[in-house]
Amino acid sequence: GAVVSQHPSWVICKSGTSVKIECRSLDFQATTMFWYRQFPKQSLMLMATSNEGSKATYEQGVEKDKFLINHASLTLSTLTVTSAHPEDSSFYICSALRRGHQETQYFGPGTRLLVL
Amino acid sequence: SQKIEQNSEALNIQEGKTATLTCNYTNYSPAYLQWYRQDPGRGPVFLLLIRENEKEKRKERLKVTFDTTLKQSLFHITASQPADSATYLCALDPGSGYSTLTFGKGTMLLVSP
Repeated sequence: GAVVSQHPSWVICKSGTSVKIECRSLDFQATTMFWYRQFPKQSLMLMATSNEGSKATYEQGVEKDKFLINHASLTLSTLTVTSAHPEDSSFYICSALRRGHQETQYFGPGTRLLVL
Repeated sequence: SQKIEQNSEALNIQEGKTATLTCNYTNYSPAYLQWYRQDPGRGPVFLLLIRENEKEKRKERLKVTFDTTLKQSLFHITASQPADSATYLCALDPGSGYSTLTFGKGTMLLVSP
């Protein structure tokens, strides 16, 4: 159990376009979901924390108007990179907290974004 | 500022040996420390969690120790196999109730046959 999926697994887009990434908990309800970004050979950097039905909490330095997060249900959170630029190219990973197992995050497989 | 250090150099060992990875931290008082495995191009996979009041935790061939005085955790894989080759990340949780994790950069482990 505790499977998290992400879609798409990779995406290539032109500079200036918006890209939406979905994160789903397949077999459990996720009270909280997290969005991370990882550059090559770097650690996962937390971008924002998303609770179902409320506004996301963004980490310092992350632009909330650029990275729109919607957590509409207990099994789905979306991250939209608006007006993407080449420097937004990265590996985006979501994770979910399972109700009753608050200490462990279950991660999705990640989405590779390349902005040309 | 908070800092988590993992050995940036890859650890190369022979199959069957015990691999030991280190995680040191400063300016932090984590309530939990977690270890994850990450394969190239994939998301991290949870391995073990150890609490601040626990000294050691085991799971099959894995063992984690946690020394809050030294501010260090050691992660051991016994009887290592080539399939254990991956990057291992340590992550700290302040236990604030928000389950926010701070990750180290990870150490790559290469187990040769």
